[in-house]
Amino acid sequence: EIVLTQSPGALSVSPGERATLSCRASQSVSSSYLAWYQQKPGQAPRLLIYGASIRATGVPDRFSGSGSGTDFTLTISRLEPEDFAVYYCHYYGSSPITFGQGTRLEIK
Amino acid sequence: QVQLVQSGAEVKKPGASVKVSCKASGYSFMSYGMTWLRQAPGQGLEWMGWISAHSTNTKYSQKLQGRVSMTTDTSTTTAYMELRSLTSDDTAVYFCARGNHQLDPWGQGTLVTVSS
Repeated sequence: EIVLTQSPGALSVSPGERATLSCRASQSVSSSYLAWYQQKPGQAPRLLIYGASIRATGVPDRFSGSGSGTDFTLTISRLEPEDFAVYYCHYYGSSPITFGQGTRLEIK
Repeated sequence: QVQLVQSGAEVKKPGASVKVSCKASGYSFMSYGMTWLRQAPGQGLEWMGWISAHSTNTKYSQKLQGRVSMTTDTSTTTAYMELRSLTSDDTAVYFCARGNHQLDPWGQGTLVTVSS
């Protein structure tokens, strides 16, 4: 089973600034099967990025994903008020599919 | 638009079963399987399993094997997840999500509370 470790657990950033979220896999994985989701309180997760760097339909271009091997990054270039949420990485290239424990992005 | 609408909240006693439905619309139901996940209060996401649209293939979490069953009804484009022998550890929000790769979209979630 692939274990995904996200860091930091919580991140305080001011609106308009950049946020960088990390996801590390327990072994080298294919970037084709790495996704990121955003979850706001009381809502279901929303797909942001798949294939490590492909933005899902309707996702603003301030969201970008990168990485390969064991290290992946979600970058939000200019934080908007609606971006403050919990973010999860997800690997779906093997069974069972797994999720990171989440990074909470908070307003500073 | 592509939409998954789940059934309403449930309260169950320990030892009981619960069956959650997920009604799909806005896409070809036969083209995608359905993944089920859950999220305990204040916790992260846990994969429960996946079912193909035709119900011919299923894959369940080892942790839940023997207690969980997933089915689909293609005539109503609805997927179902049944969990048996409930304990308080099964209290969670249960989600369906289209696909078994990137998951998109998700249902709104169904809160299942297990309490005596």
